[in-house]
Parts: sequence; structure tokens; C-alpha cells
Amino acid sequence: EVQLVESGGGLVQPGGSLRLSCAASGFTFSSYWMSWVRQAPGKGLEWVANIKQDGSEKYYLDSVKGRFTISRDNAKNSLYLQMNGLRAEDTAVYYCASRDGSYGYWGQGTLVIVSS
Amino acid sequence: DIQMTQSPSSLSASVGDRVTITCRASQGIRNDLGWYQQKPGKAPKRLIYAASNLQSGVPSRFSGSGSGTEFTLTISSLQPEDFATYYCLQHNGYPHTFGQGTKLDIK
Repeated sequence: EVQLVESGGGLVQPGGSLRLSCAASGFTFSSYWMSWVRQAPGKGLEWVANIKQDGSEKYYLDSVKGRFTISRDNAKNSLYLQMNGLRAEDTAVYYCASRDGSYGYWGQGTLVIVSS
Repeated sequence: DIQMTQSPSSLSASVGDRVTITCRASQGIRNDLGWYQQKPGKAPKRLIYAASNLQSGVPSRFSGSGSGTEFTLTISSLQPEDFATYYCLQHNGYPHTFGQGTKLDIK
């Protein structure tokens, strides 16, 4: 059974940092592009970042470029999102997802709240 | 950026009704489109991939069609568990973009 389990969310002050993790199991993690997608409270879905299987290509939403870094460790079947310079508008549930064209499998999400 | 215009934004329907949701892309995206269902407090669930392919395990009352710029999701006979929010997603170009969502509720 495919499982994606996010962790690392929480309350952080504006300008602060958080590192999200996503532990994958039940599929060959190293064979898939991986992604982060977020959803602000009461709002729609917003793609954040993608990373290629070997980490050689990364793509970001413009509003997070230079602040967020996506990375992966295929030996640990894990995906990460380092978030620096957090802003109130980054408040959201962050989902990791595996990409086979579109996004096939999703985790349950981890909530990030940016507030003083 | 490719904009995805989804309509309607909300829809009231009854069990047994046939409903159609539309997504229009601001430029051609071939068939690089997925449809998702999301229930409150839950992660999205993929229903359709590559515009018209039914995800394994998804009931056959769900279907997708379209290519290029116009796409539709059809639910042939609504069931109680189908009342949820639906999103389209284009993955043809970066940034990947979702439609605004369609909230489907019980009439």
C-alpha cells in the first residue's frame, strides 16, 4: 500500500523557517517525480514545487522561489521542503504527492501557520 | 502561466442527477489534465488522469473528456458520497495550475 506521511508543520513567526518532511513507502520512490502542493484555509489547491527522480531538476512557484527549497533522499525514501522567510500568506496545509503525469498519490498533509 | 478556468464554482444537485464540470485552459495543454475530488479535511483524490483515463478503483460513473483547451468531468448518476469539491489540474507547463474548484452539494 502506498503511503506518504508528512511531518514538520507547526506555528512559526513571520520570517521564520520550517523544514517539512514526507516519508514514502509502498512504491519505488526513486522512480517518481515528487511534489509539494498547498492549500490555504478555505481556499483551493496551489502547486508549490517539483523535483525530478534524481534531484537534478527542480521547479518552484514564483512566490516561493528563493525562499523554499525542495530536496529528496532516495536512500531514505524521503522528500523535504525547507521553508525560509515565511510569510503569513504561506499559511496552509502542505501535501506531498507523487507525480506520474499528474499527481497520483497524496499524503494527509501537514499544517503550517505563520503568525506572530 | 497557463490559467485554468473551472465552471461552475458551485453546483447543487440531487442523488441520481447527471452533472458536468468544465475546465478551460488559457492555451493548449494536449491531454495533460487530471481531475480530483476533495472532501473536507481530506487530501485530494485523483479520479481521472490524462484527461480521460479512469483512475484504478474509481467508480465508472465518473468520466473525463477533452483535449487541447476544453475538458469536462461528468458524473453520470450522483451518489451521496460524491458530494465534495472537484478540481482540475494542468501539468503541461510550469507552474502547474489547478482550477478554482467546484463545490458540489445536495439540492
